[in-house]
Amino acid sequence: GQQVMQIPQYQHVQEGEDFTTYCNSSTTLSNIQWYKQRPGGHPVFLIQLVKSGEVKKQKRLTFQFGEAKKNSSLHITATQTTDVGTYFCAGPSSGGSYIPTFGRGTSLIVHP
Amino acid sequence: KAGVTQTPRYLIKTRGQQVTLSCSPISGHRSVSWYQQTPGQGLQFLFEYFSETQRNKGNFPGRFSGRQFSNSRSEMNVSTLELGDSALYLCASTTRGAGETQYFGPGTRLLVL
Repeated sequence: GQQVMQIPQYQHVQEGEDFTTYCNSSTTLSNIQWYKQRPGGHPVFLIQLVKSGEVKKQKRLTFQFGEAKKNSSLHITATQTTDVGTYFCAGPSSGGSYIPTFGRGTSLIVHP
Repeated sequence: KAGVTQTPRYLIKTRGQQVTLSCSPISGHRSVSWYQQTPGQGLQFLFEYFSETQRNKGNFPGRFSGRQFSNSRSEMNVSTLELGDSALYLCASTTRGAGETQYFGPGTRLLVL
C-alpha cells in the first residue's frame, strides 16, 4: 500500500535557526496537506498543495510540492519557540477510495 | 463556528471492557473520520462516515466500529479492549469527505489497564 515517509523524526534547533522537514510518498499524490500538532494538542491544518512544483508561503513557513508530486517539504525560517510541535504531511491513498495517509511526523524542538 | 468536540476527553478502562467515544462535527460538515494516534504507529485512519454510512475503512480489526447519526454526530466503539488500544482517538470533520482539509477535535485519550 501507499507509504508516506517523513524525515527527520526529530529536530533540535536553537531559536533563530532554520528548520526543514521532508515528506516522500511511494506513489504520486493528487495533493498533499500539512498539519501541526502542538504538544498535548491535536493536529491543525496548515496548508494544502495541489499543483506540481507549487510553492506556498505563510509568513516564515515555506511549503513546496515536488515536480513529480511524490515529495514535499516544509521550511521554517528563523524558528521561534512558538514553532515547537510535530509537523505532519498527509496525502490521499491511491486506488479510488480516499483514505488519507499521514507521515509519522517530524517533532521540532526549539531551544531558547 | 464552533469546532469539533469530542467526549469524553480522558478515559481509563480495563482489558476486556468496551468503550464508546463521541464526536460532534463542525456545523454543516457531513463527513466524520476517526483516527488512532500512538507514539509507535503515528496517526492511523480508522474509518469515515458520511451521511450515516461508512464510506471508507482503515486496516483495523472488527472490534473497532462506528456509526453516524442524522445530525452528523458520530460515535466509535471499541469492544473487548486490549492494552494496545491505549491511544489518543481523534475525530476530524470535513464538508464532503476525508480527502479535504481535516478539522480535528481535541481527542479522547484512552488508557487501558
